[in-house]
Amino acid sequence: ELKVEQNPLFLSMQEGKNYTIYCNYSTTSDRLYWYRQDPGKSLESLFVLLSNGAVKQEGRLMASLDTKARLSTLHITAAVHDLSATYFCAVDENRDDKIIFGKGTRLHILP
Amino acid sequence: DVKVTQSSRYLVKRTGEKVFLECVQDMDHENMFWYRQDPGLGLRLIYFSYDVKMKEKGDIPEGYSVSREKKERFSLILESASTNQTSMYLCASSLGGFQAFFGQGTRLTVV
Repeated sequence: ELKVEQNPLFLSMQEGKNYTIYCNYSTTSDRLYWYRQDPGKSLESLFVLLSNGAVKQEGRLMASLDTKARLSTLHITAAVHDLSATYFCAVDENRDDKIIFGKGTRLHILP
Repeated sequence: DVKVTQSSRYLVKRTGEKVFLECVQDMDHENMFWYRQDPGLGLRLIYFSYDVKMKEKGDIPEGYSVSREKKERFSLILESASTNQTSMYLCASSLGGFQAFFGQGTRLTVV
């Protein structure tokens, strides 16, 4: 059974700082997704990572995938208040299209 | 733009009632999902469908059933609602290998 673990689950940080959210998963997969959820809203897709070594960047967010380590990271550079949200990683187990989510990382950026 | 529409934003039902949550997508996606979201638990997969009339149990199928008679529509059924099924329910759809797109969510309260 696929397990997806995010670390940390809650993060409070100052504007301008850098930080990384980690996503570990338990079985073989080369399909990993990152989502953002604002309070009271649904989930919005951020990144799709489909191979070992994949790196995607948009604005102050960069995501990477290491399938050998079963690890993905979401790196935040020079955080701004607008990035405050909950971030989820999700994994497609064995390419069977069944997508399992982590518990989410609630990110709070202090102005 | 992909659109995933859930029939209700808010529902209040009584214990023991049969409850139907409806979801429709307009992008001809093969895969559809029902998740429930609870604080601290992230998104947990209830059921997944990869084709019409095809379904697969997720991590927490107990107390739920699903129906997919047409490709664009995926229904979640609570046969006899209980208070522990009070939650946010999220429907999603995807094309294999791509990210899932989410509906706006249905907040169900069982009293």
